[in-house]
Amino acid sequence: GAVVSQHPSWVICKSGTSVKIECRSLDFQATTMFWYRQFPKQSLMLMATSNEGSKATYEQGVEKDKFLINHASLTLSTLTVTSAHPEDSSFYICSARGVGGAARTDTQYFGPGTRLTVL
Amino acid sequence: AQSVTQLDSHVSVSEGTPVLLRCNYSSSYSPSLFWYVQHPNKGLQLLLKYTSAATLVKGINGFEAEFKKSETSFHLTKPSAHMSDAAEYFCVVMASGTYKYIFGTGTRLKVLA
Repeated sequence: GAVVSQHPSWVICKSGTSVKIECRSLDFQATTMFWYRQFPKQSLMLMATSNEGSKATYEQGVEKDKFLINHASLTLSTLTVTSAHPEDSSFYICSARGVGGAARTDTQYFGPGTRLTVL
Repeated sequence: AQSVTQLDSHVSVSEGTPVLLRCNYSSSYSPSLFWYVQHPNKGLQLLLKYTSAATLVKGINGFEAEFKKSETSFHLTKPSAHMSDAAEYFCVVMASGTYKYIFGTGTRLKVLA
């Protein structure tokens, strides 16, 4: 239980285009979703926190106009990387906490990640 | 402020020998602590968590961790390593009141045949 999916698992795009990544909680209601970025051989860096129906809260140094986050329902959050550039290439991971099924509100459940490569 | 320190960036063990991954925490409150495992190019999988119940926590795949308040430690152990245990392990403390995670820098476990 407490499964989180991400789509796509990998994406390659041209510089200047926008890319949308979806994060879904499959068997519980995600009251809060988190978006992380991970560079090779490094730990996870929190980018933003989103609560369902509210605007996302971005961490210091993260450009909110570049990384658009929408959490419109209790099972879906999206991250859109706008006008992507090669330096945006990274591994993006979402997580969710919530209620229902096997989920516990004090635990984050992670998606499998999305590998973004910007050419 | 809360934090976690993973004392080893790399650990190598032989298959069948014990595993010890060390984590120390800093917290003004009774912390919620977690261990996650990440296999290459994958998301994070929860191994176990401590939330102020029993100090010895048993997790999946034979892993366990002991919360020691006097030593501010939450070390992860496994009696016998398996090749499939080779991965990156993260110790995490939850920031009180926000549900945000504070990650350690990770420990890469290598299992030798």
